[in-house]
Amino acid sequence: QVQLQVSGPGLVRPSQTLSLTCTLSGGSISSAGYYWSWIRQYPGKGLEWIGYIYYSGKPNYSQSLKSRATISVDTSKNQFSLKLTSVTAADTAVYFCARGYYDRWNTEPTDSGMDVWGQGTTVTVSS
Amino acid sequence: DIVLTQSPGTLSLSPGERATLSCRASQSGNDNYLAWYQQKPGQAPRLLIYGASTRATGIPDRFSGSGSGTDFTLTISRLEPEDSAVYYCQQYDNSHRALSFGGGTKVEIK
Repeated sequence: QVQLQVSGPGLVRPSQTLSLTCTLSGGSISSAGYYWSWIRQYPGKGLEWIGYIYYSGKPNYSQSLKSRATISVDTSKNQFSLKLTSVTAADTAVYFCARGYYDRWNTEPTDSGMDVWGQGTTVTVSS
Repeated sequence: DIVLTQSPGTLSLSPGERATLSCRASQSGNDNYLAWYQQKPGQAPRLLIYGASTRATGIPDRFSGSGSGTDFTLTISRLEPEDSAVYYCQQYDNSHRALSFGGGTKVEIK
């Protein structure tokens, strides 16, 4: 059974870098046909897409977070990661990772949505 | 980027009734790339519908999706108490290589 597990500190100081890792079990992160994504959710609010990466490609980011976010893949650990620099209280949210389906020929997500999600982790930015 | 607008914000219905949720895109994206998710409190979203109208694995047939272009609908034909949740639509904008989510519709069961 394919599962994603998010890990990382629950508290980050303002202006510091938020670092989260999503570990895949029951599959390989370098499998063709999948992309790996980060999504966040403000308390009591909707979902915000942060970015996605195909294991051998360049990441793509939300315009609003492009200057601060970095997504990378570590195939040796079967993980992908998110780093968000210069955090403020506005980055306090639940962070999810998810798997989606990727079209290698057109190098973009397919219309199959994101079918596996990690449990989410709450990150609070506070001094 | 494509902006997805969901309506209504909240839907309050009784068990057995039909729920109709709308998702409108600011511009047409990739053909029928439109997915619907269900999220219950304290849980991660669950994929319900992809490709605008295909049910994901294990999703009951009372959930159905329709639409194309910029107007999409999620219908729950006969509401069950466990359908109480927030429902989100999601699309991919290939011109900007960006995903986006709608603001969500909360379905309350009376």
